Amino acid sequence: LAKTTQPISMDSYEGQEVNITCSHNNIATNDYITWYQQFPSQGPRFIIQGYKTKVTNEVASLFIPADRKSSTLSLPRVSLSDTAVYYCLVGANDMRFGAGTRLTVKP
Amino acid sequence: DTGVSQDPRHKITKRGQNVTFRCDPISEHNRLYWYRQTLGQGPEFLTYFQNEAQLEKSRLLSDRFSAERPKGSFSTLEIQRTEQGDSAMYLCASSLSRGAFSYGYTFGSGTRLTVV
Repeated sequence: LAKTTQPISMDSYEGQEVNITCSHNNIATNDYITWYQQFPSQGPRFIIQGYKTKVTNEVASLFIPADRKSSTLSLPRVSLSDTAVYYCLVGANDMRFGAGTRLTVKP
Repeated sequence: DTGVSQDPRHKITKRGQNVTFRCDPISEHNRLYWYRQTLGQGPEFLTYFQNEAQLEKSRLLSDRFSAERPKGSFSTLEIQRTEQGDSAMYLCASSLSRGAFSYGYTFGSGTRLTVV
């Protein structure tokens, strides 16, 4: 099972681009990488999922290098409402969330 | 489909009482997961089902905890003889899994349990 490592916290300002990196050195060949966002008193919400290179949706982009041992969630032009905890999970059978990255967006 | 539903949203119970929570997943999803989350921590995995089969249970799931998913539809999580340490948010999620691949989880809003 892949184990992930993320920074505990990050600060940013409104309008900036935020990049959160997750390390997963033991990722398996079939494993996809999935990112979630969680606001206080709510369940996590799916943001984006990818296998390699780059995936983009209306919310974020996910960059995955060729060795797939890490991934970077990119949030363009963050706003105050992006203040949340962000988690990365790897694989269909690794259901264990870590502590995530607490992003604080300041005005 | 309105997503994953959990009931109740809040539960206050006295220590030693039994409580049961219900989760209704998205109907097309074949996997259902239970998590527990305390303040400032990430969700802790408790157990998951693929259809009606319970495939994995965390060691966190003591013998006071039991989960069922009859007929692969809704699921219940029961805690017997509750303790103050059981106070937490209990989250349910579901996903569609195909072989080694699973689409992202959809979480419910959770049941907040307070044991007094």
